[in-house]
Amino acid sequence: GQSLEQPSEVTAVEGAIVQINCTYQTSGFYGLSWYQQHDGGAPTFLSYNALDGLEETGRFSSFLSRSDSYGYLLLQELQMKDSASYFCAVRRGMLTFGGGTRLMVKP
Amino acid sequence: DADVTQTPRNRITKTGKRIMLECSQTKGHDRMYWYRQDPGLGLRLIYYSFDVKDINKGEISDGYSVSRQAQAKFSLSLESAIPNQTALYFCATGTSDTKGETQYFGPGTRLLVL
Repeated sequence: GQSLEQPSEVTAVEGAIVQINCTYQTSGFYGLSWYQQHDGGAPTFLSYNALDGLEETGRFSSFLSRSDSYGYLLLQELQMKDSASYFCAVRRGMLTFGGGTRLMVKP
Repeated sequence: DADVTQTPRNRITKTGKRIMLECSQTKGHDRMYWYRQDPGLGLRLIYYSFDVKDINKGEISDGYSVSRQAQAKFSLSLESAIPNQTALYFCATGTSDTKGETQYFGPGTRLLVL
């Protein structure tokens, strides 16, 4: 079976940096993805890590440690529009999603 | 135009009714998925299809069925709707590349079963 753990909620202020962690247990693993979902919207792809290390895409970075079964999404220079839910997902054939972390950015 | 479309966007039905949710895509992807999302929870996979002749059960397939009519169309049916099937349903297409399995989601269908 597979399971993913991520915090249910995180709060940060505009301009700050926030890290959303994800730990997983899975038999077989190809990579870790991150998706963003605004309230009332559809999930959209943010990033993917197949190998250990940091992947950077603008203000967002994602990290993976396969030996620790752990990854995180790092959001820098937070903006109000970053308020959304963020899901990690393990790729094993298809995707299995975590329960999501609701990020609230305050002024 | 949206690449992944779902109809209807909202639906209210009664317990015991049969309903169908439809999904169409213009992305040309072979892989299609149906997910369910309950408030405050993640996405749970109902069924998936890797090509027209391929149908697979996901994590929570009981009470649901699907049909892959063409590469571009994947429909989800609730044979006899029950209140705990009230949820937000997403269709997605998928492609495997250097970004791994990237999925593209439709706008969702809000279903209320009374």
